[in-house]
Amino acid sequence: SYELTQPPSVSVSPGQTARITCSGDALPKQYAYWYQQKPGQAPVLVIYKDSERPSGIPERFSGSSSGTTVTLTISGVQAEDEADYYCQSADSSGPSVFGGGTKLTVL
Amino acid sequence: QVQLQESGPGLVKPSQTLSLTCTVSGGSISSGGYYWSWIRQHPGKGLEWIGYIYYSGSTYYNPSLKSRVTISVDTSKNQFSLKLSSVTAADTAVYYCARGKGITIFGVVTNWFDPWGQGTLVTVSS
Repeated sequence: SYELTQPPSVSVSPGQTARITCSGDALPKQYAYWYQQKPGQAPVLVIYKDSERPSGIPERFSGSSSGTTVTLTISGVQAEDEADYYCQSADSSGPSVFGGGTKLTVL
Repeated sequence: QVQLQESGPGLVKPSQTLSLTCTVSGGSISSGGYYWSWIRQHPGKGLEWIGYIYYSGSTYYNPSLKSRVTISVDTSKNQFSLKLSSVTAADTAVYYCARGKGITIFGVVTNWFDPWGQGTLVTVSS
């Protein structure tokens, strides 16, 4: 089955830039999506189609794609950005696969 | 804006069928182009897509759960439902419903989910 690989954790100081990667063989052909999940809450879509930002999501959230890796970048990280982040995409095996998640810690 | 709310028993006995309902408000479940979806999260773990029912009524399930999953829709109540049969402790999870959108590239449909319900914890235990 298809797998998306994320680092388990990323740490960054407030005001710095956080980059969370997601790797998958089908990513050159399929879009990736990113979700933010805070403790006890449902996930929230923060990036769709690799780099599009839904309305209401701060501009400091951005996405990019290069080959088999997509990256979620959070510029000027704030304490409120501390959360788990999940990438999601698809391949011929099904329309939705999630990465294992990355815990972002704001030091 | 569209909101989703899960409801159903929080405790299910092993071997029984888990049944959950998602009520959609702020929009019609019959409106075109959406994939009404179920996703679960085991305690302390990542997200697992369960399946969807398309607005046309067609369904698609995660192959790993396909033999036990049924998703249906009741347009008169603006609800869609999940049934998962023969549950075990491994099915203990927070279950989310979500509105999915889709795009087809190179013949592959990709869904993304926005918004989500708040989630409901279902525990499988005797």
